[in-house]
Amino acid sequence: DAGITQSPRYKITETGRQVTLMCHQTWSHSYMFWYRQDLGHGLRLIYYSAAADITDKGEVPDGYVVSRSKTENFPLTLESATRSQTSVYFCASSESGLEINEQFFGPGTRLTVL
Amino acid sequence: AQKITQTQPGMFVQEKEAVTLDCTYDTSDPSYGLFWYKQPSSGEMIFLIYQGSYDQQNATEGRYSLNFQKARKSANLVISASQLGDSAMYFCAMRGMGYGQNFVFGPGTRLSVLP
Repeated sequence: DAGITQSPRYKITETGRQVTLMCHQTWSHSYMFWYRQDLGHGLRLIYYSAAADITDKGEVPDGYVVSRSKTENFPLTLESATRSQTSVYFCASSESGLEINEQFFGPGTRLTVL
Repeated sequence: AQKITQTQPGMFVQEKEAVTLDCTYDTSDPSYGLFWYKQPSSGEMIFLIYQGSYDQQNATEGRYSLNFQKARKSANLVISASQLGDSAMYFCAMRGMGYGQNFVFGPGTRLSVLP
């Protein structure tokens, strides 16, 4: 299906485990983003990518790693999950940042770290 | 640095009435875009409306309009003829132009439409 997808949609893991959240978009958008959403904080940017092999930190990058070997995929890895990383994670994409374009969001992944 | 402020954590409106959700922003970028997104209880983020900083007219999309006052750095969302399905969280966001300009979101306003 066209659009932006995230997997898994729900994940429960334990403290200290490595977790990877997947994001895939079919539009060939240049930009991709990872946000976390927590009560009282709205959406906070974790990492973003302007193109394949180009990534930059956002507001809250600590404890997360990203990669972008292909334009359509932007996985987010929690190297050693902590309880404070329990959150809803949204992936988003947009066309080139050289113009103003809206972001399109995936459905989100609800992650619980026990 | 860019910043978005939404001072209304929650709002109530009667069905069929109009409602204004406030958004103020701060940026030093000469060019930028302002966006509103809706997040219903199901969780997805839905794009509603966009206003460019150099647009002369306020943006409109169906029942949504954006009251853009550049000098006051405000970009309020107006929803006309509220419907029960408008009950949701609403986020104001901003993006500057150029490479590396990512989005900044406000904390959101929860709108409840009363029958």
